[in-house]
Amino acid sequence: GENVEQHPSTLSVQEGDSAVIKCTYSDSASNYFPWYKQELGKRPQLIIDIRSNVGEKKDQRIAVTLNKTAKHFSLHITETQPEDSAVYFCAASKGTGGFKTIFGAGTRLFVKA
Amino acid sequence: DSGVTQTPKHLITATGQRVTLRCSPRSGDLSVYWYQQSLDQGLQFLIQYYNGEERAKGNILERFSAQQFPDLHSELNLSSLELGDSALYFCASSPRTGSGYGYTFGSGTRLTVV
Repeated sequence: GENVEQHPSTLSVQEGDSAVIKCTYSDSASNYFPWYKQELGKRPQLIIDIRSNVGEKKDQRIAVTLNKTAKHFSLHITETQPEDSAVYFCAASKGTGGFKTIFGAGTRLFVKA
Repeated sequence: DSGVTQTPKHLITATGQRVTLRCSPRSGDLSVYWYQQSLDQGLQFLIQYYNGEERAKGNILERFSAQQFPDLHSELNLSSLELGDSALYFCASSPRTGSGYGYTFGSGTRLTVV
C-alpha cells in the first residue's frame, strides 16, 4: 500500500551545522511533497513544498530536493539555530485515484547551542 | 492564529462515552481533513471532506464518524471511547481537494479518556 518512510527518527546537530532529513515514498503517482514543522505542543505548520515537475526548491535556510526516479525527497536545513528544534514531517500526495496525503513518521531535530 | 478553529481545546471523558470535536476551516478553504496524533507519534489520517462530501478515508474506526456541514464546518464524532483513543486530534483545511495544496492545521483538541 501507500507508504512514506522517513529517516532518521531523531537527529541531533550543533548550532550552525546542517541537518538533512530523508523520505522515500512508494506511490509513483505522488506529485506533491510538503514538509511540516511541529514545535512541542503546537500544530504542524507547512514550511516548504515541492511539486513533481521541480527537482529542487529553496527558501532561505531550507531547501528540498526531489528524485522522482528513486522516489526520494529530502529536507536540508543550513546554519541551524536552536529555534529549528522541532519535529519535522514529510508527506506525499497525489491528486487522483482517491486523494489523500500520507505523512512520514516524523524526525525529531535537536539543535544544541 | 492559523485561521482554522478547533473546539474544544481539551476534553476529558470516561470510557464508553461519546464526544464531538468541531472544526471551522480557514476562510475560503473547501477541504477539511481530520488527523489523529497519539503521544510522540505521527499523524494518522482519518477522513477528508470536500464541500460537504466525503472524499477520502484513512484508518478511521467504525466507532468514529464525521461530517461537513453546508457552512463548511466539520464535526468528528467519537463514540464508545476507549483509553487508547486518548490523543491529539487535528483538523486541517486546504483551498481545494486534489494534490498541490498545503494544509493549514488547527491547534488541535487534546482528548483524554479516563
